[in-house]
Amino acid sequence: LAKTTQPISMDSYEGQEVNITCSHNNIATNDYITWYQQFPSQGPRFIIQGYKTKVTNEVASLFIPADRKSSTLSLPRVSLSDTAVYYCLVGGGGATNKLIFGTGTLLAVQP
Amino acid sequence: NAGVMQNPRHLVRRRGQEARLRCSPMKGHSHVYWYRQLPEEGLKFMVYLQKENIIDESGMPKERFSAEFPKEGPSILRIQQVVRGDSAAYFCASSLGQANTEAFFGQGTRLTVV
Repeated sequence: LAKTTQPISMDSYEGQEVNITCSHNNIATNDYITWYQQFPSQGPRFIIQGYKTKVTNEVASLFIPADRKSSTLSLPRVSLSDTAVYYCLVGGGGATNKLIFGTGTLLAVQP
Repeated sequence: NAGVMQNPRHLVRRRGQEARLRCSPMKGHSHVYWYRQLPEEGLKFMVYLQKENIIDESGMPKERFSAEFPKEGPSILRIQQVVRGDSAAYFCASSLGQANTEAFFGQGTRLTVV
């Protein structure tokens, strides 16, 4: 399974766009890239998933370059309630679909 | 459609007792994952199960821990002879099991060993 590397923490202010980048140099051909959000004392929540190029939903956008060795989660106009830990996961394309979480990025949004 | 249900939400056990954590997956999901999370840390994969089968248990401690997902009923994570170091939040997730489907997580069970 490909290992992921993310910044430990990021700071932002309300209304700003936040981009969190994840490195996954050893991503396999069949692997997908998935991002989860976790609030304190809660289980992680799926945000977005992609394989290549760009994916957008009502919550976020996911940018994946052609070599797929990294990905960027983009959160438009963050609010205080977006303060959480964001995890980048790579996998799902092999014989097993187990999800391996890295250390995640703690996003702190300030007023 | 109810989400992933875990119970109990909080469990207190004395050292040496057994802890049983239950996870009911979302309707139609046949794949279940268990994770452990210590305070201020990330989620550590423990085991991945399909109905009546253990697919991957590479994250399970070799002793005292076991997991099952029977044909009928919830998935059970069992910890025998608990020790203080077992105190953590245990999360369960379920999915359809296909590569590009999301996993849905429960609210977790917080185990405290006293």
